[in-house]
Amino acid sequence: NAGVTQTPKFRILKIGQSMTLQCTQDMNHNYMYWYRQDPGMGLKLIYYSVGAGITDKGEVPNGYNVSRSTTEDFPLRLELAAPSQTSVYFCASIRGWDTGELFFGEGSRLTVL
Amino acid sequence: TQLLEQSPQFLSIQEGENLTVYCNSSSVFSSLQWYRQEPGEGPVLLVTVVTGGEVKKLKRLTFQFGDARKDSSLHITAAQPGDTGLYLCAGVGSNYKLTFGKGTLLTVNP
Repeated sequence: NAGVTQTPKFRILKIGQSMTLQCTQDMNHNYMYWYRQDPGMGLKLIYYSVGAGITDKGEVPNGYNVSRSTTEDFPLRLELAAPSQTSVYFCASIRGWDTGELFFGEGSRLTVL
Repeated sequence: TQLLEQSPQFLSIQEGENLTVYCNSSSVFSSLQWYRQEPGEGPVLLVTVVTGGEVKKLKRLTFQFGDARKDSSLHITAAQPGDTGLYLCAGVGSNYKLTFGKGTLLTVNP
């Protein structure tokens, strides 16, 4: 199993550009999450999904969109990138909350200039 | 919005000292998790507490979940330099929304 795979690992964007951060998990997990983390800080929830076809907003959804057409994939789209979106983005998944562990991807470092 | 307040935000201690990190909220969580994160990596789960009043021990780390399931603490005994890192608490709330605190950056000096 590869676990949770995020791509790209690094990306530099210009203000106003758009891009998609990809997240794939091969563990058949129902729940998937996107977080952003600014330096030295905790994680802020952007969007999450409890299953294919279902998504919901987290704490900081503005400027982002997600989709969950399959169990495996949970891409995060940035529209009209802004410097405030410079951050490290983490995707995570868990089979169910009765089974415990949240698995994280390695993170995607995004810089908007 | 379910908020988790962690304190202290920064902690620098000498090897061998004890410390406690607190995680508080006005909301009730179905469970609460503690993670440790090293620079450049994703968080790694330390423990999940589910039952109010629950105490779990992991070697020199002791985790407690408040009776009302609104708060938690992490106590480290005889801290070592290898304990250095960012400690994060996270609560599972309604609709399986997992909310993180801002973290406690711990530095243990030799």
